[in-house]
Amino acid sequence: ETGVTQSPTHLIKTRGQQVTLRCSSQSGHNTVSWYQQALGQGPQFIFQYYREEENGRGNFPPRFSGLQFPNYSSELNVNALELDDSALYLCASSDRTQATFTDTQYFGPGTRLTVL
Amino acid sequence: AQSVTQPDIHITVSEGASLELRCNYSYGATPYLFWYVQSPGQGLQLLLKYFSGDTLVQGIKGFEAEFKRSQSSFNLRKPSVHWSDAAEYFCAVAPTGGGNKLTFGTGTQLKVEL
Repeated sequence: ETGVTQSPTHLIKTRGQQVTLRCSSQSGHNTVSWYQQALGQGPQFIFQYYREEENGRGNFPPRFSGLQFPNYSSELNVNALELDDSALYLCASSDRTQATFTDTQYFGPGTRLTVL
Repeated sequence: AQSVTQPDIHITVSEGASLELRCNYSYGATPYLFWYVQSPGQGLQLLLKYFSGDTLVQGIKGFEAEFKRSQSSFNLRKPSVHWSDAAEYFCAVAPTGGGNKLTFGTGTQLKVEL
């Protein structure tokens, strides 16, 4: 059973550019969530996808967008990068099989994004 | 809105000593509660979780946590710390019945002295 993987590991962009981060869910998982972790902070929820549909969003502007594909892998896109977007971006997958959503999230190692 | 407070930013303990990391939450009902650990360059690993039932929860690596509704707390404990436990620890909450969107605290950095 493979775990959650993310690519790339590190990325450097300049202000105003666009970036795409990728996540491969753990085998059999149908839900993916994205989190932003600024230096010295806890992760903050960006959004979640369940079976290719957005299923909740945190307090992030529309320039943060995402996709989930039929194989349940996912992308996080950020447009018009700002300096404050520099952070570790974490992807987490889970298997939503219960109505109460008590599924456990498994996190990937993250992508470190630096915006100059 | 739910929130999590981890009052201790840094904690240093000697190897073999006991450990308690504090976590307080704010939520209108009893939330789902979690403790995660993050080592440098690693993602978050789930240590334990509380959904309902017995308020003392056992986790991996010898950790346990106790849910105290009256104090809105979910403190993490370990009777004897190992040097490999040095890492950052995050407490998190998720709303009951509302999906598993986690709200994290700011973390506690644990240093273990040999």
